[in-house]
Amino acid sequence: QITLKESGPTLVKPTQTLTLTCTFSGFSLTTSGVSVGWIRQTPGKALEWLALIYWDDDKRYSPPLKSRLTITKDISKKQVVLTMTNMDPVDTATYYCVHSMGLSYLDYWGQGTLVTVSS
Amino acid sequence: QAVLTQPSSLSASPGASASLTCTLHSGSNVGTYRIYWYQQKPGSPPQYLLRYKSDSDKQQGSGVPSRFSGSKDASANAGILLISGLQSEDEADYYCMIWHNSASVFGGGTKLTVL
Repeated sequence: QITLKESGPTLVKPTQTLTLTCTFSGFSLTTSGVSVGWIRQTPGKALEWLALIYWDDDKRYSPPLKSRLTITKDISKKQVVLTMTNMDPVDTATYYCVHSMGLSYLDYWGQGTLVTVSS
Repeated sequence: QAVLTQPSSLSASPGASASLTCTLHSGSNVGTYRIYWYQQKPGSPPQYLLRYKSDSDKQQGSGVPSRFSGSKDASANAGILLISGLQSEDEADYYCMIWHNSASVFGGGTKLTVL
């Protein structure tokens, strides 16, 4: 059974760096084709794809946010970490971790974690 | 960058059919994309429904009823999610998605009300 769970701060101040951790189980991020990504959903319910990391450490980023994002993986801990720099109130959203087989359907989602950006 | 436009809301009656559209920006040809559809109910993350590119390239999500189906309207440059035999439990937000240049793009979502 595949599960993913997001963790991180619920409140960050403007200009700070956000670090989110996705802890997963039920699959290996060393298996060919497997990827883990991040998606966020604004309070207005818009979904925005952020980043994805493949089993072979290849990475993809949202073009508008690429300069602010870094995605990494820790195989031994079964974790994927997303950092986003220079946080702004418009970055307030629920952040989801997702499993997929590369550029395909997003078949497993975490429950999401709400991050509020406010001073 | 590809842009996907969905109507913000749609209402339909129980037992009827609902056609949800996902229109691609005029610079992108819907025929070249696999369109993925997701359903989201309050308090839950989105759930994958199905994928549609053509009648020979489509996939139903695991456990998704056959009354959910995909198609395209090439003349409108749009993907379509058709839900037949509407049930009250189908009331939800629906999002379309594509992969464009190795990045995912979502539509703004349609809130479907069944009343």
